[in-house]
Amino acid sequence: GQQVMQIPQYQHVQEGEDFTTYCNSSTTLSNIQWYKQRPGGHPVFLIQLVKSGEVKKQKRLTFQFGEAKKNSSLHITATQTTDVGTYFCCTSGTYKYIFGTGTRLKVLA
Amino acid sequence: DGGITQSPKYLFRKEGQNVTLSCEQNLNHDAMYWYRQDPGQGLRLIYYSQIVNDFQKGDIAEGYSVSREKKESFPLTVTSAQKNPTAFYLCASRTGSGGRETQYFGPGTRLLVL
Repeated sequence: GQQVMQIPQYQHVQEGEDFTTYCNSSTTLSNIQWYKQRPGGHPVFLIQLVKSGEVKKQKRLTFQFGEAKKNSSLHITATQTTDVGTYFCCTSGTYKYIFGTGTRLKVLA
Repeated sequence: DGGITQSPKYLFRKEGQNVTLSCEQNLNHDAMYWYRQDPGQGLRLIYYSQIVNDFQKGDIAEGYSVSREKKESFPLTVTSAQKNPTAFYLCASRTGSGGRETQYFGPGTRLLVL
């Protein structure tokens, strides 16, 4: 079945440093979604990308969908302690969702 | 106050016991989902329902059962056949269509086996 691989599994950064997580698939994706889960919390939807090469920004977060629609990235500029959590990519088929394994971000003050 | 509610927040199960996790939404969403999350892992789909009185198995349905008698409610039963039920269970509902769907998650239930 379709799988979505996410790297790295963990990332520790100093506050103010940048952070990037990558999501890769062996097959073409119809869309990619990104979620954030704070420690002890539940996933919260961040954004959805559907077009080849699409780039969207939310303040310090930049989301990109690859030209071939097989990969995506989330980049955070100048991390803050509020960015701590696990970031998941996710793709959806007909009514079904497939989540990546997530990247756990720790920000050291 | 709209959203998805799950109860209880923590649930303890004895060996051989069936337990039911509640999920209610007042968002008027047709589709609802149940996921299991193990420590440090991603989300795995247990069951999903596109509409009332219809549901489909996900990737790890063995040992679980669901019902969808009302649009607002999608309870999950963890049966005694599920040998390793300790996990964080998340319910979600979905809005949108045509490739622009968004999932909204409830706060989750943590199930522990005594």
